[in-house]
Amino acid sequence: EDQVTQSPEALRLQEGESSSLNCSYTVSGLRGLFWYRQDPGKGPEFLFTLYSAGEEKEKERLKATLTKKESFLHITAPKPEDSATYLCAVQASGAGSYQLTFGKGTKLSVIP
Amino acid sequence: EAGVVQSPRYKIIEKKQPVAFWCNPISGHNTLYWYLQNLGQGPELLIRYENEEAVDDSQLPKDRFSAERLKGVDSTLKIQPAELGDSAVYLCASSRGTSGRIQEQFFGPGTRLTVL
Repeated sequence: EDQVTQSPEALRLQEGESSSLNCSYTVSGLRGLFWYRQDPGKGPEFLFTLYSAGEEKEKERLKATLTKKESFLHITAPKPEDSATYLCAVQASGAGSYQLTFGKGTKLSVIP
Repeated sequence: EAGVVQSPRYKIIEKKQPVAFWCNPISGHNTLYWYLQNLGQGPELLIRYENEEAVDDSQLPKDRFSAERLKGVDSTLKIQPAELGDSAVYLCASSRGTSGRIQEQFFGPGTRLTVL
């Protein structure tokens, strides 16, 4: 069974204080790992797809990396508007595989 | 490009009443998903459509939940009768891919259901 564990559950940062969120996964072959951002009262917003170990992707202050067992979302010099819940999801490989398995998310609060 | 549209955004009903949620996916996206999200949890898949066919409804509680996707575009999710434990956010998502391909899913804003 595919499993995704995100840590920490919640993180408070001062504005400008860089940090990383962790997503550990267990899957029988990885087709893709996804990061989403979710603001209160809204649906998840797609951020990144990572396909293979060693891959990195960047978007503004966010950088996602992938190893064979986990992914990190690095946040550099965060701003208050980066406050949100960040969700990680995996899609297993296989001809009929399509389902995303989500973690519970990390709630990030950036304090001015 | 317009995103996934859902309505209503909020719904409050008494238990045992019926309720329906509507979703319009991104144009050109042939795959549509309904998810349930409880507070503090990640989304959990209820049903997936490829075009008008429900290709996976194994996690849909069929005694009270039903869904349809007429003409392979809009979709409706219904609960009848609603129970207290159905209070949650119901999310609709769509993707361009089909089984076996990478599934970058794009989500709507969700419908927050409260059952009293």
